[in-house]
Amino acid sequence: DVKVTQSSRYLVKRTGEKVFLECVQDMDHENMFWYRQDPGLGLRLIYFSYDVKMKEKGDIPEGYSVSREKKERFSLILESASTNQTSMYLCASSDRELGQETQYFGPGTRLLVL
Amino acid sequence: DQQVKQNSPSLSVQEGRISILNCDYTNSMFDYFLWYKKYPAEGPTFLISISSIKDKNEDGRFTVFLNKSAKHLSLHIVPSQPGDSAVYFCAASGNPGNQFYFGTGTSLTVIP
Repeated sequence: DVKVTQSSRYLVKRTGEKVFLECVQDMDHENMFWYRQDPGLGLRLIYFSYDVKMKEKGDIPEGYSVSREKKERFSLILESASTNQTSMYLCASSDRELGQETQYFGPGTRLLVL
Repeated sequence: DQQVKQNSPSLSVQEGRISILNCDYTNSMFDYFLWYKKYPAEGPTFLISISSIKDKNEDGRFTVFLNKSAKHLSLHIVPSQPGDSAVYFCAASGNPGNQFYFGTGTSLTVIP
């Protein structure tokens, strides 16, 4: 079974703090993704990565950065947390097979920024 | 601009009846579609997918139908069970690029 783990299930941070969200997958997947989920907005892609040290902006990258130093680990960084970054953050990984791919998600990190 | 839309935020169905969840998309380059199920406080789990070369894919109680001309897909759950109560997201992707576009979700409640 594919396993995607996220370092924290719940986080409370103060405005202006630097926040690190860690994601690890154990299936040797090339692709990794960070989304945020907000009511009425569904899942929105923040950043994704197809290889080590490679990153691509998603639909809403502003206020975020990412790091992928190792294939299994993809980190999301909030340089200076703001209250509008309060959300559920979901990490996913995938490996393209037969021309198609399925993304496997971690359990999510619910972040509250005060 | 939302490329994948789920226009029904919620749906209630009696246990044993059919649940039909709908999804519309705007990008004709999408060629692969998926449905995910999400329980509260958990990440989405993959449910079923369909490629644009097919118009139907079935897996047990779950069937996905694709109407490419209408840019519409639907998920049928027959028979519905209380454990199916969750939020369902549809997603789409196309070549080139692997980005997935998700809908806003439909919350399904199956009433015992």
